[in-house]
This record gives sequence, C-alpha cells and structure tokens, in this order.
Amino acid sequence: AQSVTQLGSHVSVSEGALVLLRCNYSSSVPPYLFWYVQYPNQGLQLLLKYTTGATLVKGINGFEAEFKKSETSFHLTKPSAHMSDAAEYFCAVSNTGYSTLTFGKGTMLLVSP
Amino acid sequence: DGGITQSPKYLFRKEGQNVTLSCEQNLNHDAMYWYRQDPGQGLRLIYYSQIVNDFQKGDIAEGYSVSREKKESFPLTVTSAQKNPTAFYLCASSTGRNTEAFFGQGTRLTVV
Repeated sequence: AQSVTQLGSHVSVSEGALVLLRCNYSSSVPPYLFWYVQYPNQGLQLLLKYTTGATLVKGINGFEAEFKKSETSFHLTKPSAHMSDAAEYFCAVSNTGYSTLTFGKGTMLLVSP
Repeated sequence: DGGITQSPKYLFRKEGQNVTLSCEQNLNHDAMYWYRQDPGQGLRLIYYSQIVNDFQKGDIAEGYSVSREKKESFPLTVTSAQKNPTAFYLCASSTGRNTEAFFGQGTRLTVV
C-alpha cells in the first residue's frame, strides 16, 4: 500500500526566506504525486502534480517540487516566502489500481514578518 | 462555474441523531470521495464511489453511510453509531485513476 510521510508538522520561515516542505512516499509502482494547500476552514487546492516526464514540476503561486525516484521524495519549495503562503500543505500519492489518493498528515507553514 | 458544493458549511448535531451532509458536483466527474479531517491527522478516506450506484468503504467507514444514485451527488450520513463525529468533512471528485481530486469547501460538524 502507498504511504506518505511529511517531515515536520510545523515549519516556520521569515518573509522572503526559502520555503522547503518535505515529502517522502512509498509506492510499489511509479507514483503520481500531488501537493495541495489548505487555508483555514476551507477545502484543498491543488498546487502542483507529478505524473510522468520532467521531474521538476512548477505550480501555482511560485511553488515547485522535484520528483527524486532514488530518494522517494517530492519536496515542495518556494524561493521567497510571502505572508499569504501561511497555510497547511498536504502531499498525496495516487493509490495503485484505484482512483483514491493517500495523504500525508500535513505541514503547517508559518510565515513571520 | 464548475465545482463542488458542500452544504451546510457548519452543522450541529445532538448525540444520538443521524445527520446527512450534502455534496454536489457539476464537473461531470465519475469518481467522488468523502474524507474526514482531524487536527494533526491529515485526511482519512471514509467512502468513495467510482461510478453511479456503486461505492466502496475507505479506511474509516464505520458509523457512516453513503449513496450514489446520481452522478452529480454523493451524500454522506453520519449515524449515531459514529462514536466521535465532530470533525471537518471534505468531499472531492476526480475523473478517475491517477488524477488530481477537486475539493469542496468542507462541512464542519459539531456534536453538542
């Protein structure tokens, strides 16, 4: 079964600093990977996804993620944090043979001025 | 605009009562899902449906029931058998395997 581990339940950065949110997955087959963002009391919004092809994936709001098969990782980065990036971020992997996704437990990003 | 509509946004229930959460989508998606979200636990799958008139249990189906009589609708009933129903419930849909899910705005259920 697929699983997702997000290292760090909370990450704090200063405005303008690099954002790095970590995601490792386990999958018996080539995975489809996703990052979502959630603002308080709202649903999840897709930031970016990896299916096949280029391993560096660009998403909305300046975020990007790199698929590294050898490290089973799909870390999310943004060069310069903005106050509006403060939210909870979820990494997810598709489940083989099903249409469902398995989510990590989430990382809350805190941005200080 | 295409999307997923969950209603109501906030719901209060007395212990021992069943309650039904609504989820409607106009994206023409075949698959629909219900997730439960609790602080620090991420999203856990309750039920999913890949086609009309068919659905499967997810990881935490006990105390919940669903129906899928129409492609657009996937209501979730939280029964009195659910021991700890207070949570944030998210409905989602997708076109199928290996595709992203689109989410509604959620329903926050509180048992009083």
